[in-house]
Amino acid sequence: GENVEQHPSTLSVQEGDSAVIKCTYSDSASNYFPWYKQELGKRPQLIIDIRSNVGEKKDQRIAVTLNKTAKHFSLHITETQPEDSAVYFCAASSGNTGNQFYFGTGTSLTVIP
Amino acid sequence: DAGITQSPRHKVTETGTPVTLRCHQTENHRYMYWYRQDPGHGLRLIHYSYGVKDTDKGEVSDGYSVSRSKTEDFLLTLESATSSQTSVYFCAIGTSDNTGELFFGEGSRLTVL
Repeated sequence: GENVEQHPSTLSVQEGDSAVIKCTYSDSASNYFPWYKQELGKRPQLIIDIRSNVGEKKDQRIAVTLNKTAKHFSLHITETQPEDSAVYFCAASSGNTGNQFYFGTGTSLTVIP
Repeated sequence: DAGITQSPRHKVTETGTPVTLRCHQTENHRYMYWYRQDPGHGLRLIHYSYGVKDTDKGEVSDGYSVSRSKTEDFLLTLESATSSQTSVYFCAIGTSDNTGELFFGEGSRLTVL
């Protein structure tokens, strides 16, 4: 099955700096790559996603890039704010696997005011 | 919120007792999922369903069973709970048949003593 690896497991940045979280996947059939943000005690919530026919997608301060050849994708957060502090999960999915979603192990981001 | 509820939200039980967690949706989505979340492991798929009476195993299905007798309900059963099943359990609905967004419930915290 699919294997998604995520790095780093923890990340601390100063407010206003950028944060980058990286994920790799193993199954070349994966074609959908969402990112979820989970605040303490809350449910994971989708913040941005990208499909395999697109190389980059932006939504205000967040962006995701995908390199299909290398099988990796990254989340970029610019101008970080304290409310960006949370755990972020990447995931990969393929219609070939019955819509199973495979998640990375998460990155705990702390933005220091 | 967004048509998915989990019950119970918190449960403490003893080793060897059966436990059933319920996931209820109001939006008639075909795909439903049960994940468990543990520190250092991220979100791991237990079982998922792609229709009434249609279910399949995920990556950590041992010790768990599921049932889906109607579209809106997806039940997760631990036949004989063990301490290793202490976790936070999230139900999710798939909002598209073609690898679309997962929307998570609020989670159920289970403690097995």
